[in-house]
Amino acid sequence: IAGITQAPTSQILAAGRRMTLRCTQDMRHNAMYWYRQDLGLGLRLIHYSNTAGTTGKGEVPDGYSVSRANTDDFPLTLASAVPSQTSVYFCASSVQYGNQPQHFGDGTRLSIL
Amino acid sequence: EDKVVQSPLSLVVHEGDTVTLNCSYEVTNFRSLLWYKQEKKAPTFLFMLTSSGIEKKSGRLSSILDKKELSSILNITATQTGDSAIYLCAVRDNYGQNFVFGPGTRLSVLP
Repeated sequence: IAGITQAPTSQILAAGRRMTLRCTQDMRHNAMYWYRQDLGLGLRLIHYSNTAGTTGKGEVPDGYSVSRANTDDFPLTLASAVPSQTSVYFCASSVQYGNQPQHFGDGTRLSIL
Repeated sequence: EDKVVQSPLSLVVHEGDTVTLNCSYEVTNFRSLLWYKQEKKAPTFLFMLTSSGIEKKSGRLSSILDKKELSSILNITATQTGDSAIYLCAVRDNYGQNFVFGPGTRLSVLP
């Protein structure tokens, strides 16, 4: 079934550790996105990628990095996790960046202790 | 700074009721407004609205945009327990790189 796969589903991590959240899509979408969802704040964009080889910063990029080596994969890395990064992380994609609906993965629940 | 506000933040109704969810926005140069439904995990796309006054409809759900009032409503008629979810509103402007999401409305439909 075509769609977006995120891994892991959930993770508990000690503060200061490095963590990479994985995201893979098989829809050949050009644009991909990473959001975090926190209670009362809705979804906030962390980083995005218009197409393979390019990335950009969203609303809350500090403490996170991304790469887009190919069309399908868009990993999100926390170089040194802090408790404020405890959240649910959603990866999304769309055919093109812009005025199109996004398809979301099922999310990764990350707890930083 | 772009901003999206949704109301109410939570709502409890009984099956068969009709509900109206509200979304208002402040965007520098509006391009589109989107509604999503989020049950347990991934948000799923419902509607995208770009023009004022044109109703989008899908089954018991409908939505309309009012650019003059900088707002949109999402109507659900004859609600069912399966409509229980968080309904998210998002807007996009022409210059920003963000889809800006509102906090969502949590709808609970009781049998």
